[in-house]
Order: sequence, then structure tokens, then C-alpha cells
Amino acid sequence: GAVVSQHPSRVICKSGTSVKIECRSLDFQATTMFWYRQFPKQSLMLMATSNEGSKATYEQGVEKDKFLINHASLTLSTLTVTSAHPEDSSFYICSASDAKRVGRETQYFGPGTRLLVL
Amino acid sequence: AQSVTQLDSHVSVSEGTPVLLRCNYSSSYSPSLFWYVQHPNKGLQLLLKYTSAATLVKGINGFEAEFKKSETSFHLTKPSAHMSDAAEYFCVVTAGDYNQGGKLIFGQGTELSVKP
Repeated sequence: GAVVSQHPSRVICKSGTSVKIECRSLDFQATTMFWYRQFPKQSLMLMATSNEGSKATYEQGVEKDKFLINHASLTLSTLTVTSAHPEDSSFYICSASDAKRVGRETQYFGPGTRLLVL
Repeated sequence: AQSVTQLDSHVSVSEGTPVLLRCNYSSSYSPSLFWYVQHPNKGLQLLLKYTSAATLVKGINGFEAEFKKSETSFHLTKPSAHMSDAAEYFCVVTAGDYNQGGKLIFGQGTELSVKP
């Protein structure tokens, strides 16, 4: 149980284009989803927290107009990197938790999406 | 404020020998603590978690960790390393109670290498 998927696993795009990454909880309802960014050989950096049906809460220094987050249902959140530039190239990881279940503080992570902007 | 420190950025062991990955935390309340493992270019997999129940926590793949409040530590151990254990390990603490939105605070990670 508690499986989280991400799609795509890898994407290459041209500078200036937008890229959408999907995060799905497959066997539980994710009342909260988190988006992280990870640079090589570094830890995870939280970008934003999204709760189903409400606006995402962004961490300091993360541009909300650059990284659009939508959490339209209890099983799906999307991250759209708008007008991507080479510096946006990174490994993006989502996680999900369920406030209704015991152990709700546990986050279950997706497999990550490798974004390369040329 | 909550924080977590992984004391070693890299640990190297021989296959079949014990593994010790050290983690210290700082928290102003009773935290939940986790160990996650990340294999190259993969997401994070939960190894084990402590949530104020038994202080010795057993996880998957033979790993266990002991919560020591007096030492503010949550070290990860395994009696016998396997080649497949080579990966990055993260010690993680909850940022606050759930009113903090369920955020997690990550350590910087420890890279475990296993030599044949």
C-alpha cells in the first residue's frame, strides 16, 4: 500500500517551454502533497505544500508563478514548470500523505522526474 | 526550531559487516523521526519510523534504529551489510505538530558504500 507514482520519469525540453509533471497516489487519498527539488549529491528541498482543493503554500524563495501547482483531486497533484530555463534542470520529487489515516505524518514518495532543459 | 544532523556524509563498509549511520536531532516537542533510503535516480523509500511508541524501531531489509531522547539521537543500524544496501540515506524529522502542515526536515544525507 501507499504507492505514489510520477509521470513522466524523465523529460527533455527546450528553453522557454512549459513542462507538466503529474503525481498520483495510487491506493490512498492524499489530502496533502508535497513537491521537492533535489540537486545532485544534495538533500531534498521543499518547494511547496498543496492541500486538495486549496492553493498551494510555497516555501520562501520559490516563485509561485514559475512553479504552478494544482491539487484538483485527492489522488492527483500537478507541477507545471512554466517557461523553463536550463537552471530549472533538476530532479523533482513529489510525496503524499493522508491526514485521515493513522501515521498521517508519514510521507510516501514518488520515484521522481528528471527534467533537463536545453 | 527543529533540525537534524547526519554526522557522516559518507560511510564505507565491507559486505557482511555492521552498518552504523548516525543522526542527531533537535526538537522543541516530541517529534516523529524517519529514515528513508534513496537509490540512484530513484525516489525515497521509507525504511522505518519512530512515532513515540517503542524506542527500538525495526524496519525493512534488516535495518533498525533506536530513539534515544537523552542523547537526541536516532542512529540507523544493520548487523550485516549487503551490496544492495549501497545508497543514500536520509534521516528526517517532522517540522512540528500537524498544524505545521506535515512538513519534514531532511538531514543532508549519508552515502553508504558497500565493498565486496
